This record gives sequence, C-alpha cells and structure tokens, in this order.
Amino acid sequence: AQSVTQLDSHVSVSEGTPVLLRCNYSSSYSPSLFWYVQHPNKGLQLLLKYTSAATLVKGINGFEAEFKKSETSFHLTKPSAHMSDAAEYFCVVSDQGGSGGSYIPTFGRGTSLIVHP
Amino acid sequence: GAVVSQHPSRVICKSGTSVKIECRSLDFQATTMFWYRQFPKKSLMLMATSNEGSKATYEQGVEKDKFLINHASLTLSTLTVTSAHPEDSSFYICSARVAGGPPDTQYFGPGTRLTVL
Repeated sequence: AQSVTQLDSHVSVSEGTPVLLRCNYSSSYSPSLFWYVQHPNKGLQLLLKYTSAATLVKGINGFEAEFKKSETSFHLTKPSAHMSDAAEYFCVVSDQGGSGGSYIPTFGRGTSLIVHP
Repeated sequence: GAVVSQHPSRVICKSGTSVKIECRSLDFQATTMFWYRQFPKKSLMLMATSNEGSKATYEQGVEKDKFLINHASLTLSTLTVTSAHPEDSSFYICSARVAGGPPDTQYFGPGTRLTVL
C-alpha cells in the first residue's frame, strides 16, 4: 500500500522569500513521486517528477524537490516566491501496487501556498 | 505536447437529468484514462480507471450505475453522471497516460465544474 502526507494544509510566505512545501510518503515498491500545481478552477499542471534517477529534481518555474529515501520525504522548494506561485500544490506517489503491477496514483491532501506582497 | 481537454468546462443541470463529460487526449493516444472528483478545498479522489476497449475499474464506494464511463477510442473517454442530484455537484477532472509512454505519468485535463440544481 502507498500513502502520501502533506504536512501543511497552508503555507504563507512573503514575495521574494523561500518556499518549502513538505511531503512524506510510504510505498512498498520503488515509487515515482510527483508535484503538481493547481490554480483556482483549473486542472493540474506537472511541476516535476522523480523516478529513481537524480535525487534532486528540477522542475518548471524555478521549483525543485529532493528525494530522501532515509526520511521518506520529497519536499518541494523554491528560492524566491512570486505572487503567481499562489496556488494549491499536490504531492503524488505512484508505484506498481495496482492490479497486475499497474501504477495507480495516490494524492496528498494538498497545500495551499499564500504569497504576500 | 501531451495536452488533455475536457468538455464542457462548466455545466449546470436540473436534478434528475444526465450529464456527459468528455475527456480527450489531443496530441497523443491514451490507453488509460483516469476520472477524479474534487470537492471544494479538498484533494482529488480517484473514481475510476478507464482502459480503452474494456470496462472501467471503479474505486470502492463509487457507484458504477451512476457514473458511467466509456473509453471507446484511444483519444476519448466519457463520464456520464446519470440522474444527477445536488450532491453530485463537484469539480470533475480527467487524466490520461500516453500509450507506450512512462506508465507512472499522467497528464490532466482542465476540469469540468458540474452544478446540479
């Protein structure tokens, strides 16, 4: 069984300061991990993806995430927040635990990023 | 690349009527599509996994007869909400996997806002 925990429901930062969105996971396999962003009333956009290559993954819009197996974490960071980063962020784990070895994703509950001017 | 569209983007219907939502992969073929439901300020809940040419696999607690899923071609899956009631009002999002692509990666549509009066 797989699961994902986003430790903060809301994160509030000032524009220009660093962003940290925390995510912990559990999986019985070697998981793939994703971060998606969702703006209000929109679909989900893939920010970045980890699949057992480099542990530090660089994504779009200046975001990056580091896979730490020992801590079962995949936290999302950005050095300097922009007003346009204000949105909902979802951490997703996907492994081969589905029927017939299929990949079925599990979503975290989401973290709302608030950026103050 | 890997664009997924949904139609309609918004729909309002009367209680007791049926509503069809289309999910299309515009520039790729998708053997597998997923349907999610998202409640306000909540995470995505997987409703069903749709494989082209076969019956959909529904998650526990999702009524098969109420949420009819058809995946008749490699670029189109439809979700029909039958005999809709106000409690079916929600944001419905589909996603698709690229045929022959990474089995762990999905691309999301922009979502459909359903309001049942």
